[in-house]
Amino acid sequence: NAGVTQTPKFQVLKTGQSMTLQCAQDMNHEYMSWYRQDPGMGLRLIHYSVGAGITDQGEVPNGYNVSRSTTEDFPLRLLSAAPSQTSVYFCATRQAKRYGYTFGSGTRLTVV
Amino acid sequence: DAKTTQPPSMDCAEGRAANLPCNHSTISGNEYVYWYRQIHSQGPQYIIHGLKNNETNEMASLIITEDRKSSTLILPHATLRDTAVYYCIVRVVMRQGGKLIFGQGTELSVKP
Repeated sequence: NAGVTQTPKFQVLKTGQSMTLQCAQDMNHEYMSWYRQDPGMGLRLIHYSVGAGITDQGEVPNGYNVSRSTTEDFPLRLLSAAPSQTSVYFCATRQAKRYGYTFGSGTRLTVV
Repeated sequence: DAKTTQPPSMDCAEGRAANLPCNHSTISGNEYVYWYRQIHSQGPQYIIHGLKNNETNEMASLIITEDRKSSTLILPHATLRDTAVYYCIVRVVMRQGGKLIFGQGTELSVKP
């Protein structure tokens, strides 16, 4: 049981490049979400999903796309990276009717 | 959305109880109070949650005032490993999934 797995752990992109941050979970959790954390700030919700085929926007969705084709995976896509997207990205999951979220260990992204 | 207010930082001596306060004066009747912590760049970790009664688990105790406008997280015997940023969160129910809105948190330093 690996829990929540995020890949890669570190990534450097050039402005304008695209990439996908991966989040996979083996706990059969219905809810999955993506947060970003910038220095000195708390976490901000980007997108979330309440089940396969269902996604919705959070507080800071601009510049990011998501899809949820399976229960296990919830990838976050940056179509054209910008320096403002330099951040640490966390994926979080939760089982329906349970209360606590499980977070991944994060992806540290730098856009130059 | 109900917001929370926490002191930016606190110190605690090792072995003593750490009492972390949180104000949430605009909380709604069906909103829960959650506590998470984040240890040095790791993903946040769920600690405890409550609605109106006091709660205790193996990690901590949560005391919620009768009017629910404030709460206190208690770590009964703080250790150096409890040094972290602690987030008090009021859970917003949005459509089916709900979301966590993180504030700035309290940086707890446990000192020998």
